[in-house]
Amino acid sequence: RKEVEQDPGPFNVPEGATVAFNCTYSNSASQSFFWYRQDCRKEPKLLMSVYSSGNEDGRFTAQLNRASQYISLLIRDSKLSDSATYLCVVPPTGSSYKLIFGSGTRLLVRP
Amino acid sequence: GAVVSQHPSWVICKSGTSVKIECRSLDFQATTMFWYRQFPKQSLMLMATSNEGSKATYEQGVEKDKFLINHASLTLSTLTVTSAHPEDSSFYICSARRGNEQFFGPGTRLTVL
Repeated sequence: RKEVEQDPGPFNVPEGATVAFNCTYSNSASQSFFWYRQDCRKEPKLLMSVYSSGNEDGRFTAQLNRASQYISLLIRDSKLSDSATYLCVVPPTGSSYKLIFGSGTRLLVRP
Repeated sequence: GAVVSQHPSWVICKSGTSVKIECRSLDFQATTMFWYRQFPKQSLMLMATSNEGSKATYEQGVEKDKFLINHASLTLSTLTVTSAHPEDSSFYICSARRGNEQFFGPGTRLTVL
């Protein structure tokens, strides 16, 4: 089983839609979780950290489900500019500085 | 946020030549930098951890003699792809650690003919 797994998509949704992605991780001892966004041919940029209690930043909501070992990202009221690849990141235990990236979920928001 | 630059942003070279990629932290000092590689439609894969003043730590499966890393100062790490071959063509991205955050460079696209 891969350390971090994501549905590659693409998710093709209309503007204004709500879309959610999941990411499963294999190490039950993992403590930190992040969502990054990567535009085509660009570097990844931190979108948000995922806290145990869940967190929200505008239209974006991240949740952690430790029992089932997955994190989720919910995007409400999708914008065209949300089109990108969303990468799930889980640092390995014992090394919070290394980042293990999921393969990414591609989102296409259409007019 | 902190700024990390990479140079060159893209490079095309002939098979068998060596290519050096620079990663600089522009407004902070970074004792630790990371080098990643990303093939088309795949995710970023960590290649090595670059530590200022000491040897780099390579991930399993990454040849240290092929991918030479030098981190001679607190603001500069270099990755040299030696004797590059077409299969080394990829998007190489560095990141620099500041505190608990990592800041990514814009990446270098390498094409080996």
